Amino acid sequence: NAGVTQTPKFQVLKTGQSMTLQCAQDMNHNSMYWYRQDPGMGLRLIYYSASEGTTDKGEVPNGYNVSRLNKREFSLRLESAAPSQTSVYFCASSAPGGYTFGSGTRLTVV
Amino acid sequence: AQSVTQPDIHITVSEGASLELRCNYSYGATPYLFWYVQSPGQGLQLLLKYFSGDTLVQGIKGFEAEFKRSQSSFNLRKPSVHWSDAAEYFCAVGGGGSQGNLIFGKGTKLSVKP
Repeated sequence: NAGVTQTPKFQVLKTGQSMTLQCAQDMNHNSMYWYRQDPGMGLRLIYYSASEGTTDKGEVPNGYNVSRLNKREFSLRLESAAPSQTSVYFCASSAPGGYTFGSGTRLTVV
Repeated sequence: AQSVTQPDIHITVSEGASLELRCNYSYGATPYLFWYVQSPGQGLQLLLKYFSGDTLVQGIKGFEAEFKRSQSSFNLRKPSVHWSDAAEYFCAVGGGGSQGNLIFGKGTKLSVKP
């Protein structure tokens, strides 16, 4: 039972480069989320998807785009990475009863 | 506005001492409340959650939390702290999983003195 799988686990980008963070869940959950974690800030919601085919902005969406490819997969794209996007990114999914988090992607933008 | 406040950024306790981490929330609907723990460089581990029923919730690793609706609080407690409890603790409020995202507090870092 894999739960929520995020790839990659670590990434270093140069300013201006683009990349996509992948997230997949195997629990048949409808809702999926992307958070970023920064020291002293807790986790802040970037985007979420309440169901397949829908996405909505969270607290800190600027500089990001998302795609809910199907029920299992929810990707986060940085079109032009900036040093301010250096962070740890967590994907999560949810169903009645609670939330399941991936193990995170540590991204550094230099 | 929906929010979670953890008033203590950093707490240091002696090993064997009791612990209470504070959490206050503001949420418009019925709150579903969670405590997570994160060790350095690791992901989030769910300690316990409150959805309904008994307001005193038991979790893993000997932790418990009490929901007090009148005080909008969900404080985490442990009677005797172990050195391995040193970590960062996050309180979160959400819609229970069927709706709405989780809103996190900024975290409380726990250090344990030998």
